[in-house]
Parts: sequence; structure tokens; C-alpha cells
Amino acid sequence: GESVGLHLPTLSVQEGDNSIINCAYSNSASDYFIWYKQESGKGPQFIIDIRSNMDKRQGQRVTVLLNKTVKHLSLQIAATQPGDSAVYFCAENYGGTSYGKLTFGQGTILTVHP
Amino acid sequence: EAGVTQSPTHLIKTRGQQATLRCSPISGHTSVYWYQQALGLGLQFLLWYDEGEERNRGNFPPRFSGRQFPNYSSELNVNALELEDSALYLCASSTGTSGDLTDTQYFGPGTRLTVL
Repeated sequence: GESVGLHLPTLSVQEGDNSIINCAYSNSASDYFIWYKQESGKGPQFIIDIRSNMDKRQGQRVTVLLNKTVKHLSLQIAATQPGDSAVYFCAENYGGTSYGKLTFGQGTILTVHP
Repeated sequence: EAGVTQSPTHLIKTRGQQATLRCSPISGHTSVYWYQQALGLGLQFLLWYDEGEERNRGNFPPRFSGRQFPNYSSELNVNALELEDSALYLCASSTGTSGDLTDTQYFGPGTRLTVL
């Protein structure tokens, strides 16, 4: 079926720690994955993306890992800061009849304690 | 550069009424997408418009409709409102690069629709 799910609904970390947010997807045909951050009262903000022909991509303080064998995606945030507190969503796009449609997971709430 | 803008910020309607939500994409973007974010249900894809045409539609009833104007702004209309239509409606835009799955969607702040 069409679904992107998350292993952990909440994650609590201390400031300065590294955070890892996980996501499982069910469609092996998915070709493009995106992580979004949504702060309270705001729309989702693009963080980083990765295509299925890659297994790792790095940005500023963030890294996305893709394991196609087990259909798993993760977002790593280095030196987590209080400003990183938000809901994080993974999303997938697999084209075909679903072209243009992003399928989102339920989200993980990240709380960073100072 | 201005991001995606949406209006109104909040909208309160009663059951059976019609709601109209508006979206202006990032300058230079031709594709506009609409998503519904209901409490506890994550983001659900509603509609995609590109170059004035509806390109794809999610699993929503026909009373959810919209259009895209020549300036690429878009309108979402919800007829015969039901209580369960209460949600945050998010608009996103992208460059509309044809055939490119990696055409990143950038979101606006949303319109909070409350149906009483």
C-alpha cells in the first residue's frame, strides 16, 4: 500500500547531542525521499532530500541515510540545538500515477532540552 | 525572495457552507500543490496544478476542487463543508520541471479551517 511510517513518534535529547529520526517506507518503487521540519504554527520546511540511487547525503549539520534493502530512511542531526525542536516528517515520491504527490509519514516530535 | 503565501490565515465556517482558500507560489514557480493536515492524520495530498491544468488528485471527494490562474496563483474550494474538513490546508509550490521527481515542494504557512 501507499504508506510512509515512523518508528518513534517522540524523541527527547539534550542540547549538543546527536539526534536520529527514523522512517520506514513501504513502496519499493519510491525514487525520491525528503525530510521536512514543521515548527508550531508554520508550514513544513524543506531540510534535505535523497534519490534512490544514493545511500547517503549530507547537508549542514544534517545527514540522510537510505537503506533500500530494508526500506528505511533516517535523518541525523548533529549537535542538536533548542531551535531544532519541531515535528519532523519524511516523505516519498514514486512517480507514475502518483507523480507530483508526496506521501508523508505521521511525523516525529523532536524536543531538545537546554 | 518571498516564499509561498496563503490567505486567509484562519477561516471559520459552518457545516454546509463553502470555503475558498488562496495561495500565491514562489516567484518563478509554475506548480502548486494542496495538502490537508488534519489532527493526527499527517499531510494528505489533495491536488496538483501546473500551467493552469489539474495534473493529479488525491483520494478526496469532488466537493474539493480548485483552479490555477494565469499568474500561477491557486484557489482551493471546499463545498458543502463537513465537520471533518476542519484542518490546516497547506499549499506548496515548485518550479514545475516536467518529468523531474526531484522538483522540491516548498510549503506556505497554511490556512486553518474550522467548521462548526
